Amino acid sequence: DAKTTQPPSMDCAEGRAANLPCNHSTISGNEYVYWYRQIHSQGPQYIIHGLKNNETNEMASLIITEDRKSSTLILPHATLRDTAVYYCIVRVRDFGNEKLTFGTGTRLTIIP
Amino acid sequence: NAGVMQNPRHLVRRRGQEARLRCSPMKGHSHVYWYRQLPEEGLKFMVYLQKENIIDESGMPKERFSAEFPKEGPSILRIQQVVRGDSAAYFCASSPEVGQYEQYFGPGTRLTVT
Repeated sequence: DAKTTQPPSMDCAEGRAANLPCNHSTISGNEYVYWYRQIHSQGPQYIIHGLKNNETNEMASLIITEDRKSSTLILPHATLRDTAVYYCIVRVRDFGNEKLTFGTGTRLTIIP
Repeated sequence: NAGVMQNPRHLVRRRGQEARLRCSPMKGHSHVYWYRQLPEEGLKFMVYLQKENIIDESGMPKERFSAEFPKEGPSILRIQQVVRGDSAAYFCASSPEVGQYEQYFGPGTRLTVT
């Protein structure tokens, strides 16, 4: 699975959009981009995933660059409950390769 | 629909004892994954199981650790002769089928070895 690079920490004001970048310059054509978050040592929570098109769900939006070498997770209106460690993961969806490889993630702090 | 359940939530063992961690996947899920998170580190994959089969154990330490997912009952992660370095949070996740987009995680079991 491709390696990802994320900033170790970010701050965002409550109510503003939080934009979390992820670099995955060695991503291959069949690898998906997944985002999970972990709130204060709880179990990780799935947020969103995508292959090459931008995606949006009730939690967030995922913007993937045209060359797929980087992506941005957008939390449109951050709340204090969004304070967490956010993990960007790339992997092939393939039988026998189901594991998620977590890096160190970005610690996002929402400031009141 | 209950989520992934893990018990116990906290487990204290003395060095040399055995630890048994249990994971009940979400209803209808037949794939289970175990991850370990050492203090101040990210999660590390340990093992992937389907009912009665180990599919990928590439992240399991070679000794003292074993996992099973029997036809009936929860998945069990077993650590024999625990050492202080085994102190960590152990998370279980489940998914309904291969290639499923998301894995649903449980709350974790925090193992402390004294």
